[in-house]
Amino acid sequence: SQTIHQWPATLVQPVGSPLSLECTVEGTSNPNLYWYRQAAGRGLQLLFYSVGIGQISSEVPQNLSASRPQDRQFILSSKKLLLSDSGFYLCAWSQDVVGETQYFGPGTRLLVL
Amino acid sequence: EDKVVQSPLSLVVHEGDTVTLNCSYEVTNFRSLLWYKQEKKAPTFLFMLTSSGIEKKSGRLSSILDKKELFSILNITATQTGDSAVYLCAARGQGAQKLVFGQGTRLTINP
Repeated sequence: SQTIHQWPATLVQPVGSPLSLECTVEGTSNPNLYWYRQAAGRGLQLLFYSVGIGQISSEVPQNLSASRPQDRQFILSSKKLLLSDSGFYLCAWSQDVVGETQYFGPGTRLLVL
Repeated sequence: EDKVVQSPLSLVVHEGDTVTLNCSYEVTNFRSLLWYKQEKKAPTFLFMLTSSGIEKKSGRLSSILDKKELFSILNITATQTGDSAVYLCAARGQGAQKLVFGQGTRLTINP
């Protein structure tokens, strides 16, 4: 069966510091991968998605970036965090190009101070 | 712009009550609508609906889609405290990778 991992689970970072969040998927090959952010009390906002290694689509302009160095690894990064980057970051995967159902990882709660 | 709107935003009921959560959508070339339950962490998948009028059921939860009126409902019967969560609705357009999420409905079940 497929599992999705995210780390770290929680992170407290000062403004201006860099960020690297990692997501890995097991038990499937060539998944579609997604990064979402959920601000407190709000719905999920899609940040990036990837249909293959090195292929990244950005949905929202911001100071974040994403990379997919391996088939089942998706990384969310920032060179300098802003206060507004605080939130709950969720990685998700779906099975194929059609990307019907997305399954979510456990999430990373980021607090920027 | 594609959008999904859920109502109510918040609902408090007593254990044993039946609840209906609403989701309306405006998505270009609509393909599917999904319901998720989010407790403290990651959303967990409940249902995916693609056809009008066909009810999907899992235990006390059921959902149906109306593609003419562009909405879906999620019903929970005989609610239990474990049903307390945020319920998220999301819609996808044909050929689109992204899901467009609603704001969620926070459901609280009091004993």
